[in-house]
Amino acid sequence: EVQLVESGGGLVQPGGSLRLSCAASGFSFSTYEMNWVRQAPGKGLEWISYISGSGKTIYYAASVKGRFTISRDNAKNSLYLYMNSLRAEDTAVYHCASSFASRDFENWGQGTLVTVSS
Amino acid sequence: QSALTQPRSVSGSPEQSVTISCTGTSADVGNYNHVSWYQQHPGKAPRLIIYEVTQRPSGVPDRFSGSRSGNTASLTISGLQAEDEADYYCCSYAATYTWVFGGGTKLTVL
Repeated sequence: EVQLVESGGGLVQPGGSLRLSCAASGFSFSTYEMNWVRQAPGKGLEWISYISGSGKTIYYAASVKGRFTISRDNAKNSLYLYMNSLRAEDTAVYHCASSFASRDFENWGQGTLVTVSS
Repeated sequence: QSALTQPRSVSGSPEQSVTISCTGTSADVGNYNHVSWYQQHPGKAPRLIIYEVTQRPSGVPDRFSGSRSGNTASLTISGLQAEDEADYYCCSYAATYTWVFGGGTKLTVL
């Protein structure tokens, strides 16, 4: 069974940093592309970052580029999101989601809540 | 990249059919086959129900179908059931490994 479990969320002050993790199991992690998608409270979904299976190709949405860094450790079946210079508008539930071939965001984790507030 | 446009809400009675539209541009919905739909129940993670415009993942009932005309994709749910009440999001590839979601549509089963 495919499982994606996020962790690392919490309350952080504006300008602060946080590292999110996503533990994957039940599939061949290194062969899947991975993404982070966030959802602000009561709002819709927003794609924020992509990383290829090898980790060599990485892209970001304009809203987080230069502040967030995505990475993966295929030996540990783990995906990460390093978030710096956090703003109030980054408050959201952050989901990791796997993609394979044309099946975009095929599997999702339950998400971890990040709250940016003083 | 602007969000794709979806109606805020739709509703239908059990056994009826409803269609949710998703309007983008020639730079996203109209240009790529990577158009997908997601179902999200309150407090739950999204679930992929349509990919590649018309394809259903295994386990998704054939009551769910997708289509596209020009820059507008559509999700049709036939034979509405109470458990279909949820939020629905469309998504499109928008070039160079970026994706854009719609604002979401709340489906109410009357």
